[in-house]
Amino acid sequence: EVQLEESGGGLVQPGGSLRLSCAASGFSFRGYWVHWVRQVPGMGLVWVSRIDGDGRRTSYADSVQGRFTISRDTAKNTVHLQINSLRAEDTAVYFCAREAADHDFWSGYSLGYMDVWGKGTTVTVS
Amino acid sequence: DIQMTQSPSSLAASIGDRVIIACRASQSISTYLNWYQHKPGKAPDLLIYAASRLRSGVPSRFSGSGSGTDFTLTISSLQPEDFATYYCQQSYNVPPLTFGGGTRVEIK
Repeated sequence: EVQLEESGGGLVQPGGSLRLSCAASGFSFRGYWVHWVRQVPGMGLVWVSRIDGDGRRTSYADSVQGRFTISRDTAKNTVHLQINSLRAEDTAVYFCAREAADHDFWSGYSLGYMDVWGKGTTVTVS
Repeated sequence: DIQMTQSPSSLAASIGDRVIIACRASQSISTYLNWYQHKPGKAPDLLIYAASRLRSGVPSRFSGSGSGTDFTLTISSLQPEDFATYYCQQSYNVPPLTFGGGTRVEIK
């Protein structure tokens, strides 16, 4: 079965750090873009970061740029999110998701939908 | 950044009702629009991609339509397992990927 499982969340003081992990099973992460999305309690989904299939290209939301770092460990089939200088507003459930390898026939652009998600790991900054 | 606006933010409906959720983009996104269902404590689940393509295994009571800036998700006959929050997401101009604020579907 194709699955993603997040880990590494916890309670941390403001200014602290955590390393979140997203482990894939049932498929190889190689070649897939992987995203992190978070949900503040009572609020909606917000995109945080992404990494390409080779680990060469990364992107971040403005709110986390310079504090968060996404990386991948191909040998362990895992993607990490290093989160530093944590703030109260970073308190959220963090989900990882796989972007489907599906492209528009005419343009060749990725359709950009996330077809496999984990159940999330909770980060509390207090 | 492209802003996504969903309406309504919540609705109450009965089993068997037809439910329509709207999503508007701040600029044209062609059909690069995806819909997800999310239940508390669970992983979000893809329902519709590329505006109108039903993901394999998703019940046919779900459908999506629209292009450009205006999109809709329709549930033709609401079932008990459909009570959840629904999100639209644009993938036309990234980064950042952007989601709508969500529509919570509750039992009337």
